[in-house]
Amino acid sequence: EVQLLESGGGLVQPGGSLRLSCAASGFTFSSFGMSWVRQGPGKGLEWVSVIGGSGGDTKYSDSVKGRFTISRDDSKNTLYLQMNSLRAGDTAVYYCVRVSGYYYDSSALDYWGQGTLVTVSS
Amino acid sequence: QSVLTQPPSASGTPGQRVTISCSGSSSNIGSKYVYWYQQFPRAAPKLLIYRTDQRPSGVPDRFSGSKSGTSASLAISGLRSDDEADYYCSTWDDSLSGWVFGRGTKLTVL
Repeated sequence: EVQLLESGGGLVQPGGSLRLSCAASGFTFSSFGMSWVRQGPGKGLEWVSVIGGSGGDTKYSDSVKGRFTISRDDSKNTLYLQMNSLRAGDTAVYYCVRVSGYYYDSSALDYWGQGTLVTVSS
Repeated sequence: QSVLTQPPSASGTPGQRVTISCSGSSSNIGSKYVYWYQQFPRAAPKLLIYRTDQRPSGVPDRFSGSKSGTSASLAISGLRSDDEADYYCSTWDDSLSGWVFGRGTKLTVL
């Protein structure tokens, strides 16, 4: 059974930093791309970033480019999201999500973790 | 403002058929597969439809997806009370080089 468990969320002041982690199990982690998707309070889903299997191609949404960095440690089956220069608008539940296929543009976001809440406030 | 346009709400009575629309453009729906996600309150989204019209194992055949040009639809037949949820359409956008989502449609079973 695929399991994705996020951690690292919390309250941070504007301009601060936070690192999210996602522990994966139940599949061959290195073979799959992984992504982060966030959902602001009472809002819809917003894709944040993706990284290919074994650390391949990374992409970011315009709203986080230059501030967030996605990475992975395949030896630990763990995905990360380093978030710097945080803003109030980054407040959201952050979901760790598996990418179903090799090519992003023909892949689903097929398994989702339960999410971790990040609150940016003074 | 989302790249994909969905109605904010939809409703139906038990047993009815309901459709939810999703409108995009040539850089996303017009040239890519469409995906649909179901989200219950205080829960993570779940993949409902992939590659426009395919159902993951375990998803009832009451749920179906389709696409025509730059628009897509999710149809739910034999509506049940436990279908009440938010439904999101999504696809890859070549111009943005990322996945895009609609704002979600809240389905109410009357």
